[in-house]
Amino acid sequence: GEDVEQSLFLSVREGDSSVINCTYTDSSSTYLYWYKQEPGAGLQLLTYIFSNMDMKQDQRLTVLLNKKDKHLSLRIADTQTGDSAIYFCAERAGGYNKLIFGAGTRLAVHP
Amino acid sequence: EAQVTQNPRYLITVTGKKLTVTCSQNMNHEYMSWYRQDPGLGLRQIYYSMNVEVTDKGDVPEGYKVSRKEKRNFPLILESPSPNQTSLYFCASSLSGTGIYEQYFGPGTRLTVT
Repeated sequence: GEDVEQSLFLSVREGDSSVINCTYTDSSSTYLYWYKQEPGAGLQLLTYIFSNMDMKQDQRLTVLLNKKDKHLSLRIADTQTGDSAIYFCAERAGGYNKLIFGAGTRLAVHP
Repeated sequence: EAQVTQNPRYLITVTGKKLTVTCSQNMNHEYMSWYRQDPGLGLRQIYYSMNVEVTDKGDVPEGYKVSRKEKRNFPLILESPSPNQTSLYFCASSLSGTGIYEQYFGPGTRLTVT
C-alpha cells in the first residue's frame, strides 16, 4: 500500500545546510511534494518534482529523487531561523489529486 | 485574495454534540478535500469532492459526513463527536481533481472533544 516515512526531528545551526529525508512505497507515484507548515498555519507548497526527474533546484531549495530506492530529500541551503517549521513530504496517489503525507519533520534552527 | 477559509479556528465540545466545520474557497476550484492531522501520523484524507454533488470517502471517513451543494463550500459534519476525533483539521482545494494542480490549504481548525 501507499506509505510515506520521514524522520520526526532535525536540528541545525543557522547558516548550515539542512537535509530532510523521505521514503515512499508507491512506485507509481507521479509527483512528489514538499510542504511547509509554520506554527498555527496551514500547509504551504514549497516545491514538487515529477517522477522522471532526479533533481530540481529552486533558489535555496534542492530536491533530489532516487526513484530506484524510492527516496526523496529536501536540502535547504544557508538555513535561517525563518525556516523553522514542520516539513511534510507527500506523494500523489491514484488518478486524482489525493496526497499521501508523511508524518512531518520538525526542523529547529538554532543560532 | 485567493484563499481557503475555515470556521471556527478553535472548537471545544462535548461527546455527542453535533458540530459543523465550514470550509469555503474563492478560487472557483472544483476539487475540495478534508484532512485530519495527528502527531506522528501526518495528514490523512477524510473525504473529498471532485465537484458539486460529487463526494467520496478518503482514508479515514468513519464518524464524518460532508456535503457539496455549492462549488465554493465543503462543510465537514460530525454527527456525534467522540474524543478520538480530537485533532487538527484542514480543508484543501485545487482547480481540478485530475491533472496536476496545486492544493491550497486552509489555516486549520483545532477540535477538542471531551
